[in-house]
Amino acid sequence: EIVLTQSPGTLSLSPGERATLSCRASQSVSSSYLAWYQQKPGQAPRLLIYGASSRATGIPDRFSGSGSGTDFTLTISRLEPEDFAVYYCQQYNSSPLTFGGGTKVEI
Amino acid sequence: QVQLQESGPGLVKPSETLSLICTVSGGSISGYYWNWIRQPPGKGLEWIGYIYYSGTTNYNPSLKSRVTISVDTSKNHFSLKLTSVTAADTAVYFCVRAGYDRGVGVDSWGQGTLVTVSS
Repeated sequence: EIVLTQSPGTLSLSPGERATLSCRASQSVSSSYLAWYQQKPGQAPRLLIYGASSRATGIPDRFSGSGSGTDFTLTISRLEPEDFAVYYCQQYNSSPLTFGGGTKVEI
Repeated sequence: QVQLQESGPGLVKPSETLSLICTVSGGSISGYYWNWIRQPPGKGLEWIGYIYYSGTTNYNPSLKSRVTISVDTSKNHFSLKLTSVTAADTAVYFCVRAGYDRGVGVDSWGQGTLVTVSS
C-alpha cells in the first residue's frame, strides 16, 4: 500500500500570501495518477488537480500542482478568503487507492 | 453535468449490514469508475472500493471481506453493502465518479450521507 504523508498538518497564512503544500509518497507514484482535492466544512471534496499538474475544470489558475516520483506539491499563489480549507492528495496509481491525511490551511 | 445522490438508512445497529444506493443523474454509468469513499467525523478520507461500469470491482483490502459494490446500469445507480458493522464504520459515506484510466481522479462527488452505527 502506498502511504501518502502530507505536510504541514496545518498552515497558518493570510489572504494574499502563497501556500505550499507537500505530499510525499512511500513508493513512487506515476505523475499521471496523483490528484489534489479541496474540502470545506460540511461539503464534499472538490477536485483541484489531476495528473499531478492539470487543473480540473473551473479551477482558478492560482492553483498549481507539480512534482514526480515520491514528492508532489500543491501551490496556491495568492490565497483568497475562499481558499481556507483542508486539502488532500490522492494516488490512484496502485490499489488500494489512498489519500494523504490532509493539510488544513487556516487564517 | 452529472449529479450523484446517496440514499439509505442513517442509523444501523452493530453487527448488521449497511446498505446505500447512489443514483446517478445527468450522465451515463458507462465509461467510468464508480466509487464509495468514507470519512469518519473529524477525520480524513478512506477509499472503500469501486466498480467499473462493466462490473469489475476493486476493494480496499482492509474492508474487502465485508464489502460488496454492485451496479445496475438499467437504473443508473450503484450500491454499497458493508456487513458486520461496528462503531468504527460510523462515517459520512460519499459516492463518487472517477476516470482513473484517463488519469483523472474523482471528478464528481455526491453530497455525502452520515451513517451512524449504534444500538
